[in-house]
Amino acid sequence: NAGVTQTPKFQVLKTGQSMTLQCAQDMNHNSMYWYRQDPGMGLRLIYYSASEGTTDKGEVPNGYNVSRLNKREFSLRLESAAPSQTSVYFCASSNSYEQYFGPGTRLTVT
Amino acid sequence: GNSVTQMEGPVTLSEEAFLTINCTYTATGYPSLFWYVQYPGEGLQLLLKATKADDKGSNKGFEATYRKETTSFHLEKGSVQVSDSAVYFCALRYRGSTLGRLYFGRGTQLTVWP
Repeated sequence: NAGVTQTPKFQVLKTGQSMTLQCAQDMNHNSMYWYRQDPGMGLRLIYYSASEGTTDKGEVPNGYNVSRLNKREFSLRLESAAPSQTSVYFCASSNSYEQYFGPGTRLTVT
Repeated sequence: GNSVTQMEGPVTLSEEAFLTINCTYTATGYPSLFWYVQYPGEGLQLLLKATKADDKGSNKGFEATYRKETTSFHLEKGSVQVSDSAVYFCALRYRGSTLGRLYFGRGTQLTVWP
């Protein structure tokens, strides 16, 4: 039982490049989330998905897109990376009572 | 709206000292309240939770009591250890949310010296 897994763990991009962050959970949860964590800002919600096939914007969705591929997988795409997107990205999934977090992806955009 | 305010860090303590990290919230209705902990280089883990007024959550020597009258959920530990060094996040979940979305505070960095 791996819980929530994220790939890659680290990534460096140049401004304007694109990439997809992958997330998968094996707990049969309906809800999944993408957060970014910046110093002094806590965790801010980028996008979330209540169930397979549905997605909604969170607090800071600009510059990102998501896909809920199936119940297990929820990916985050940066179409044209900007230095302001340098951050640590966390994926999470949830049952009715608790959110479970992945180990994070540290992204640097130069 | 829903929001969480935590005391700002960093907090630096000696081993065996008493810890308090303040957390207050604003929410519609009666939310569930949580403390998450993030150890260096890791994701967040649930530390403890309380789902209704006057509930006390506890785990690993940490405690927090849901105080509706003061809209607070302060984290306490009687004797901290070096291994408690981490970032602590207070969070709430609006009770009416079937999605389970959490609202986080900004986090408090705790460093414990031997």
